[in-house]
Amino acid sequence: AIQMTQSPSSLSASVGDRVTITCRASQGIRNDLGWYQQKPGKAPKLLIYAASSLQSGVPSRFSGSGSGTDFTLTISSLQPEDFATYYCLQDYNYPQTFGQGTKLEIK
Amino acid sequence: EVQLVESGGGLVQPGGSLRLSCAASGFIFSDHYMDWVRQAPGKGLEWVGRTRNKANSYTTEYAASVQGRFTISRDDSKNSLFLQMNSLKTEDTAVYYCARLGRGRGLDYWGQGTLVTVSS
Repeated sequence: AIQMTQSPSSLSASVGDRVTITCRASQGIRNDLGWYQQKPGKAPKLLIYAASSLQSGVPSRFSGSGSGTDFTLTISSLQPEDFATYYCLQDYNYPQTFGQGTKLEIK
Repeated sequence: EVQLVESGGGLVQPGGSLRLSCAASGFIFSDHYMDWVRQAPGKGLEWVGRTRNKANSYTTEYAASVQGRFTISRDDSKNSLFLQMNSLKTEDTAVYYCARLGRGRGLDYWGQGTLVTVSS
């Protein structure tokens, strides 16, 4: 199975900061990667699909980039509602695999 | 409005069985692939498996951790997705989510989850 390694595991930041989260695949996955946001007690929410396509209704401060093995999720200016845990998910092959998550906390 | 509502969770003893359901509404269920994803208490997300649509013969895929024990099925006439879980282990304790695979790829709609606890 493809391993997805996210970094950092946790991150403290302030409202208005620019934040970048990285996901690295153990082998090339083209652009077959999505990013999800999860708040405590809630279901995950799709932010980005196909590595860089913004899901409908998601604010434009979220962006994704990368292909092959290295991917990034960027939040251009953190808002209070963005403090959550973020996961990447490769859908290149089966079994699909999530990264371990990045918890974004308020500084 | 797209809605996914899971049910069937509960407490079960190790070695036991449980069947989860996911009721879908607000979209053409038969067109979409559907997934199950789980989350153990305090842990990250784990992909469980997928059923493809009728056009793709309802074929399924599973994570290695559940292969041979879990079975995903669907009833398009009832807009319902199922997860039959057999030979349950304590490590299967988790919130189980059903999710829809969107046209643009990515799991674009999720249910609220149902908790399965495997314990003696």
